[in-house]
Order: sequence, then structure tokens, then C-alpha cells
Amino acid sequence: AQSVTQPDIHITVSEGASLELRCNYSYGATPYLFWYVQSPGQGLQLLLKYFSGDTLVQGIKGFEAEFKRSQSSFNLRKPSVHWSDAAEYFCAVRSLLSGGYQKVTFGIGTKLQVIP
Amino acid sequence: DAGVIQSPRHEVTEMGQEVTLRCKPISGHNSLFWYRQTMMRGLELLIYFNNNVPIDDSGMPEDRFSAKMPNASFSTLKIQPSEPRDSAVYFCASSTQRSGELFFGEGSRLTVL
Repeated sequence: AQSVTQPDIHITVSEGASLELRCNYSYGATPYLFWYVQSPGQGLQLLLKYFSGDTLVQGIKGFEAEFKRSQSSFNLRKPSVHWSDAAEYFCAVRSLLSGGYQKVTFGIGTKLQVIP
Repeated sequence: DAGVIQSPRHEVTEMGQEVTLRCKPISGHNSLFWYRQTMMRGLELLIYFNNNVPIDDSGMPEDRFSAKMPNASFSTLKIQPSEPRDSAVYFCASSTQRSGELFFGEGSRLTVL
């Protein structure tokens, strides 16, 4: 069965510093991978996605992620963090069920705190 | 375009009462998902509909939970009777069948006293 591991529950970075959030997945076939962001009291919003092709994908708000099949990883990065990036970040993997239906499994989330 | 619309945004009820959460997916999306979010368990998939038909309800915790999708533009999640451990934020999300990208509503925060 598919699964997603986000090893860091909580991360604190200084404003202007670089950021890397880790994500490892388990899925037998070629994965569709996603990063979502959730601000307090809000639903989740898609940051970026990987389906195929270039393993470095660009997303909104200056985020990028790199798919590494050999490491089963899809880490999220941002070169310079802004205070408005404080939120919770979720990695997700889409798997296909029998009949071609889909299931999206989320990691536990990483809460990002940004300090001045 | 309107996004996924959920109601109510907040619900406070007493143990034993019936709770109904509602969701209107994005027009044209044929997949609908109900998730539950708690601090302890994160985001859990409760049930998934495709073309109004339940495809995977293995995440529904027990018989007290039921979900329906009578048409392409409306779904309900019902808890009867509710218990304090059902307190959580319930999210509805919609998608096209094969895109994998989910569009989330703002959630319904349920508190059962």
C-alpha cells in the first residue's frame, strides 16, 4: 500500500533563510506526487505537482521540489523564506485503484514557523 | 469560478446528536473526497466518490458515519449519533478522475461536547 512519510513534524527557520522539507513515499509504480500548503483555518492549496518528465518542478510562491526515484523522495525547497510562508505543508502521493480510480494519501504534515 | 463549498464552517453539538456536513464540489469535477483532520492522525480519507458512486469507503470509521452523493453537485457526510471523539475538521475535496490534483473546501470544524 502507498504511504508518505514526513519526518519533520515542526521546523523553525529564520526569515530569509533557505528551506527544505523532506518527504519520502512508498508506491510500487510511477508516482504522482504533490505538495500542498495549509494556512490556519483554511483548506489545503496545491503548491506543485510531479507527474513525469523533468524531476525538478516549480510551483507557486517560489517553491520547488525535486523527485528522486532512487531515494523515493520528493523534497520541497525554497531559497529564501518569507514570514508569510509560515503554514503547514503536506506531501501527498496518488495511487491508482483497480478500475482506474485514484486514491490520494497524505503525509502527517510539517508545520513551518518563521522567525524574524 | 467558485471553489469547493462546505457548510457549516463550524458546528458545536452535544454527544448523541446527529450532525450533517455538506459539500458542493467544483462544477465539472467527477471525483469527490471526504477527509478528516485531527492533530493525532493527520488527514484521513473517509470516503471517495466517482461519478456520484462510492468507490472506496474503507476509511469510514464505523457505522455511525454515512455519506451520500445524490447528484454531481452535492454530497453529505452524516454522523449519527455523534461522539466527542468525532471532533475534528472535516474537509471535502473534488477533482477530475485522473488528474490527482485535489481542490479543497475550507473545512467544517466539528466540536462534539
